[in-house]
Amino acid sequence: AQSVTQLGSHVSVSEGALVLLRCNYSSSVPPYLFWYVQYPNQGLQLLLKYTTGATLVKGINGFEAEFKKSETSFHLTKPSAHMSDAAEYFCAVSETNQAGTALIFGKGTTLSVSS
Amino acid sequence: DVKVTQSSRYLVKRTGEKVFLECVQDMDHENMFWYRQDPGLGLRLIYFSYDVKMKEKGDIPEGYSVSREKKERFSLILESASTNQTSMYLCASSTELALSWYNEQFFGPGTRLTVL
Repeated sequence: AQSVTQLGSHVSVSEGALVLLRCNYSSSVPPYLFWYVQYPNQGLQLLLKYTTGATLVKGINGFEAEFKKSETSFHLTKPSAHMSDAAEYFCAVSETNQAGTALIFGKGTTLSVSS
Repeated sequence: DVKVTQSSRYLVKRTGEKVFLECVQDMDHENMFWYRQDPGLGLRLIYFSYDVKMKEKGDIPEGYSVSREKKERFSLILESASTNQTSMYLCASSTELALSWYNEQFFGPGTRLTVL
């Protein structure tokens, strides 16, 4: 079965600094990978996804992630943090069985941004 | 615009009560999911459904049941609520159709349930 590990449950950066949120996955087949963001008291919103093709994926709000098969990683980055980026971020991998497809989520990383 | 709605944003119930959490999606999606979210534990899958009247257990089904009588509606039922079921509950939907965003899940806003 697939699994997702997010390194660091809490990341703190200063406004304007680089954001790096780490995600490693295990999958026996080519994975579909996702990053979701959750703002306080809201549901999850898709930031970006990797399916096939270009390994550098650009998402909303200036975020991007790079799929590295050799490292089984899909780290999320943003060159310059903004106060509005403070939220919880979840990495997920798609898992398909005979019944259908579900997402396997990591435990999440809370991003704090200080001025 | 795609939409998943949940019947309540905040809910307070008493121990032993039967609780219904409703989720409705307007995207004609085949798949629907119920998660609970707790600090430090991320999202844990309770139940999911790939079609009307079908249900599959997720990772933590104990104490819960579900109902899917119509394609757009997926209900989570707490037969006898307990304090350890105090949590945020998130509903999501997705489609299996080809060229369908590769199974991206669309989430509702969540229901924060408190059991006293």
